[in-house]
Amino acid sequence: SQKIEQNSEALNIQEGKTATLTCNYTNYSPAYLQWYRQDPGRGPVFLLLIRENEKEKRKERLKVTFDTTLKQSLFHITASQPADSATYLCARAGGSQGNLIFGKGTKLSVKP
Amino acid sequence: GAVVSQHPSWVICKSGTSVKIECRSLDFQATTMFWYRQFPKQSLMLMATSNEGSKATYEQGVEKDKFLINHASLTLSTLTVTSAHPEDSSFYICSARKPGLAGVGEQYFGPGTRLTVT
Repeated sequence: SQKIEQNSEALNIQEGKTATLTCNYTNYSPAYLQWYRQDPGRGPVFLLLIRENEKEKRKERLKVTFDTTLKQSLFHITASQPADSATYLCARAGGSQGNLIFGKGTKLSVKP
Repeated sequence: GAVVSQHPSWVICKSGTSVKIECRSLDFQATTMFWYRQFPKQSLMLMATSNEGSKATYEQGVEKDKFLINHASLTLSTLTVTSAHPEDSSFYICSARKPGLAGVGEQYFGPGTRLTVT
């Protein structure tokens, strides 16, 4: 079956360090992947979209990579801050109408 | 960005009653909206796709007679949980895709509705 997986349930890092989150996919080749942030009790908020022909995309302190050989996307937050603490979700297109299929998410905790 | 609202943000109801959740796109028209459900420490799971002016498309395992979806206008979709049971307690989130992003693009999510059935 087509899977999208975020194998790390949680990641704890120190403020100022770079956080790196991983999203792996198996048994298919997505045309694009998306990353969302979700705070407790809130809906997800879109962060970045990266297409399969893009190796890297940046937005302020965020960077996403897409490696079709490794079947993996990495999500980086540089100079992390406690305010970056949240759950980060990787998502792929689910169907022709545009729904998304999400990974389980990685809960990031940035300690001051 | 675009704004999607949900109402109510939380609701507690008794078993056997029905609850309606509204999802509105505030500053754009959405021909398609999606309803997701999220259990604690789980990811979002698509329940159904709501299309304006036509019947919703339900995912496998989701009872269409229990989860009634109405998308009566380009800015409003409603989800009614009928004869709610404690196992229906969950976090319900809607989303909408902004027109013009042909086939690809970010979705805008509502803030979610926490349903607790006692």
